[in-house]
Amino acid sequence: DADVTQTPRNRITKTGKRIMLECSQTKGHDRMYWYRQDPGLGLRLIYYSFDVKDINKGEISDGYSVSRQAQAKFSLSLESAIPNQTALYFCATSVGLAGNEQFFGPGTRLTVL
Amino acid sequence: AQSVTQPDIHITVSEGASLELRCNYSYGATPYLFWYVQSPGQGLQLLLKYFSGDTLVQGIKGFEAEFKRSQSSFNLRKPSVHWSDAAEYFCAVGSLSGSARQLTFGSGTQLTVLP
Repeated sequence: DADVTQTPRNRITKTGKRIMLECSQTKGHDRMYWYRQDPGLGLRLIYYSFDVKDINKGEISDGYSVSRQAQAKFSLSLESAIPNQTALYFCATSVGLAGNEQFFGPGTRLTVL
Repeated sequence: AQSVTQPDIHITVSEGASLELRCNYSYGATPYLFWYVQSPGQGLQLLLKYFSGDTLVQGIKGFEAEFKRSQSSFNLRKPSVHWSDAAEYFCAVGSLSGSARQLTFGSGTQLTVLP
């Protein structure tokens, strides 16, 4: 079984809808991250969490929120989706040491119409 | 603030040819450096990493990278490319301490391999 899983893998939604993307990990890592990937822009950090009580905004947090329900679960929400949030979303995990080497999930492709 | 530049958006090589992907970073302290690969439709997989010690690091799939502090570079190399190496490659910089509490990624280099 995969160490970092994301659900759903693909989602098509309409403008204004609320969407939640979920991430679960079995690696026992304390740190979790959400990124979005757009062609030519690489990965940009949306939010990150160093433990259940620690949530931090990343480079592009506007329009997004997160919830760290447990050490193993980190959800990303789009409260009111807009077309420019169409992207590939990745969840990642890491331990506090090891220079933030991160382990990635398979990604969720989100399309907002 | 830390940053990573991958100057080549797209590189095309023939199968069997050598490969070098460039990565330049900006970070005030000793960086931790990574190369990830993303195959079509897949997540990112770690190819190799540099934390300290020998500046030439070996990774999976026959890749290697050399850390050059004087040039702020961490270029990825492979002596003979295989068709299965066609993918997008990302360089990233991180740190254990200071303000760099997360990885910063470059914009990626897309590799095409010709038969």
